[in-house]
Amino acid sequence: GAGVSQSPRYKVAKRGQDVALRCDPISGHVSLFWYQQALGQGPEFLTYFQNEAQLDKSGLPSDRFFAERPEGSVSTLKIQRTQQEDSAVYLCASSLASGTSTYEQYFGPGTRLTVT
Amino acid sequence: DAKTTQPPSMDCAEGRAANLPCNHSTISGNEYVYWYRQIHSQGPQYIIHGLKNNETNEMASLIITEDRKSSTLILPHATLRDTAVYYCIVVSQGNLIFGKGTKLSVKP
Repeated sequence: GAGVSQSPRYKVAKRGQDVALRCDPISGHVSLFWYQQALGQGPEFLTYFQNEAQLDKSGLPSDRFFAERPEGSVSTLKIQRTQQEDSAVYLCASSLASGTSTYEQYFGPGTRLTVT
Repeated sequence: DAKTTQPPSMDCAEGRAANLPCNHSTISGNEYVYWYRQIHSQGPQYIIHGLKNNETNEMASLIITEDRKSSTLILPHATLRDTAVYYCIVVSQGNLIFGKGTKLSVKP
């Protein structure tokens, strides 16, 4: 079946521009996660949704980062006034349920953001 | 959540078993051990998880020591497509913390 999809796959932004990254989770998956992965590092948690509710945004690095999932399916990660340190791969993941099943996550291919 | 320690890299010959170790000496009783892998330029892929008992699925086996302070992920017949970074994660609540993992290189 269809997995998690993300768009665009690649994004180049000039410093100061706003960007929006989209995630389409697996249909029916309750939980949705965003991660940031810098070159050579493991993914780092940004934020977590259960349906449309954003239950944890403790990993968002600054108030320039904003995520939403208004109808409990598609999610958008928005970065305002991009900085060079925002250059990374942004990964989206979804999981079927809550509890320990939350940790069996299905990841999309990521969006590689380059800020010039 | 408990911290994990993994070797930064390992090599394995194609067709042989790959045994990837993970140390989690501070694991507590309700914490699970999860394994993910990340093939180059792809998102991470869930492999397997366990609490106390050994587990096996179509991808791999997970062996957890009796004291639960360490575990080993076993890929029984490694192929070139198994070349990836393998992450061992201990979690019961909170979020997945990936660390740097072990880069497994399967060589022909």
